[in-house]
Amino acid sequence: QKEVEQDPGPLSVPEGAIVSLNCTYSNSAFQYFMWYRQYSRKGPELLMYTYSSGNKEDGRFTAQVDKSSKYISLFIRDSQPSDSATYLCAMRGESNYKLTFGKGTLLTVNP
Amino acid sequence: DTAVSQTPKYLVTQMGNDKSIKCEQNLGHDTMYWYKQDSKKFLKIMFSYNNKELIINETVPNRFSPKSPDKAHLNLHINSLELGDSAVYFCASSPRDRAEKLFFGSGTQLSVL
Repeated sequence: QKEVEQDPGPLSVPEGAIVSLNCTYSNSAFQYFMWYRQYSRKGPELLMYTYSSGNKEDGRFTAQVDKSSKYISLFIRDSQPSDSATYLCAMRGESNYKLTFGKGTLLTVNP
Repeated sequence: DTAVSQTPKYLVTQMGNDKSIKCEQNLGHDTMYWYKQDSKKFLKIMFSYNNKELIINETVPNRFSPKSPDKAHLNLHINSLELGDSAVYFCASSPRDRAEKLFFGSGTQLSVL
């Protein structure tokens, strides 16, 4: 079983839709959970991170972590064509500099 | 101002050659990293330096040698390039002990022919 599993998609939605992106993981030592957005031919860009379980909201983006289920989600409200990108989840342990990434989900938001 | 800059952006070379990729960050971060992204977009850490000290060295062929002359610079030298080395290499940096706040460069697309 891979440490981090992420559905690669592709996911195609109409503009204005609510998008749900998810990752599951197997390592119970993970404590920090991140979401990165990567546009084509660019480096990943940190959207938000969460420590341990719970929700975090930033504008149209909400991250949720359920450690009991080893499941994390990113919700995008009122999706825009500019949200079209690959979304990568990443995780790390408490005292570990190494991030473990999911393989990314390619999202297309159609005008 | 670019926060994490790496050069070159594209690198096309023949098998067996030696090449280097340079990285610089102006964020004042203590920790720098090299990540490799393969053709399936999978990102995997290769090395990490904390204020010039190597702290992460994943299972990477010893043809890859990182060097950090100071905490703002981390270079990657690759000897005897192989076809399988073709990938995008990303430099990144973070504040000390805050690897969740990773800032990436724009990547170097390496193509080995």
